[in-house]
Amino acid sequence: QLVESGGGLVKPGRSLTLSCAASGFRFSDFYMTWIRHVPGKGLEWLSYSDTTGDYTDYADSVRGRFTVSRDNNDNLFYLQMHSLGVDDTAIYYCARRHGFSDLWGQGTLVTVSS
Amino acid sequence: ILLTQSPDTLSLSPGESATLSCRASHIVPALSLAWYQRKPGQAVRLLIFNSSKRATGVPDRFSGSGSGTDFTLTISRLEPEDFAVYSCQQYGNKPWTFGQGTKLEFK
Repeated sequence: QLVESGGGLVKPGRSLTLSCAASGFRFSDFYMTWIRHVPGKGLEWLSYSDTTGDYTDYADSVRGRFTVSRDNNDNLFYLQMHSLGVDDTAIYYCARRHGFSDLWGQGTLVTVSS
Repeated sequence: ILLTQSPDTLSLSPGESATLSCRASHIVPALSLAWYQRKPGQAVRLLIFNSSKRATGVPDRFSGSGSGTDFTLTISRLEPEDFAVYSCQQYGNKPWTFGQGTKLEFK
């Protein structure tokens, strides 16, 4: 399973780091992805990391502000978010694989508001 | 690639069949289209990948079809647990994109 944490209320311009704890599968064998759901809108792919963290890619909407990383020893996947704006308010999901995702967490809510 | 799902809401009864559409603004290469089921408080569930392949554990009443720009998810013999939001996703071209979702509700 995948369990996200680290969400909460944050002021515009601030930073926040989300974590995703993986269990029940060989974490180091899988690419990992972050996706978010803005209330009232569809899902949005944000970023993914290859199995080692050496290769990552980002959506244009977050490139340069968000950074993904992973710790294969502790089976953790991270999303560092900087310069947050109100448009970043969403439920953030980590998911297994890139392309289509076959395992999702339940998400963590990030609210950006003054 | 922009994905447009229709209808926005589909009202049906258990036992009926549901046909959900996902139309892409450009050709989705290599049948790279997936369908997901979303329920409040639950993890998103992968149903279909590569346009028509059922994910592990997905009942055979769920079927996917289509190619190019037009894709369909069909749910036959609706069960009460099937009432949820369904989203399509293309992963043939970055940025990978999702449709806005179709809500399947009880009639």
